[in-house]
Amino acid sequence: QSALTQPRSVSGSPGQSVTISCTGTSSDVGGYNYVSWYQQHPGKAPKLMIYDVSKRPSGVPDRFSGSKSGNTASLTISGLQAEDDADYYCCSDAGSSYVFGTGTKVTVL
Amino acid sequence: EVQVVESGGGLVQPGESLRLSCAASGFTFSGHWMTWVRQAPGKGLEWVANINQDGSEKNYVDSVRGRFTISRDNAKNSLYLQMNSLRAEDTAVYYCARFHYSGMDAWGQGTTVTVSS
Repeated sequence: QSALTQPRSVSGSPGQSVTISCTGTSSDVGGYNYVSWYQQHPGKAPKLMIYDVSKRPSGVPDRFSGSKSGNTASLTISGLQAEDDADYYCCSDAGSSYVFGTGTKVTVL
Repeated sequence: EVQVVESGGGLVQPGESLRLSCAASGFTFSGHWMTWVRQAPGKGLEWVANINQDGSEKNYVDSVRGRFTISRDNAKNSLYLQMNSLRAEDTAVYYCARFHYSGMDAWGQGTTVTVSS
């Protein structure tokens, strides 16, 4: 049950695109199409942005998209906006457990 | 409106116990897996435990297995986390969340547990 590996930080200017990677193993990310992504602003509860690798809950802008290749999942934010400045966590089913990523700070310059 | 509200956090000494509660409303509680997730101060999210719709299946992260027990009362629309033999490393904000497919789509505001002598 080791945490999934994410870059510590990524940044971009408004309007640009950024991609966050989430690397696991064949026992979690690579073994299941059950990856989700969460946005968390300081002092707030996490918010679901993507589930089942690439599905968006209602109300989440289509600027957010998810994908997976092998043991690595990715979250792409297109058309970066000021309100996207937050921490992002991936999460994967790992059989009878779940494992979160180490978290990535997205900074909008 | 879908809502989950945690309660029961507090300051306890190492080795003591605490029971967290989560009150759900605005959805069919008995139709969803539920989970507890924690976040230590300044750290990332950690999945703690989950439970299926009728309480017959429960899963735990290795670090709490044998010390924590997740349970639910569908008649009361409530989720619980009984935490025994608490350690300093259990200090965190504990969130209750609803599962929707593979995602946790409804979160509470969290309840803070501090384990310190």
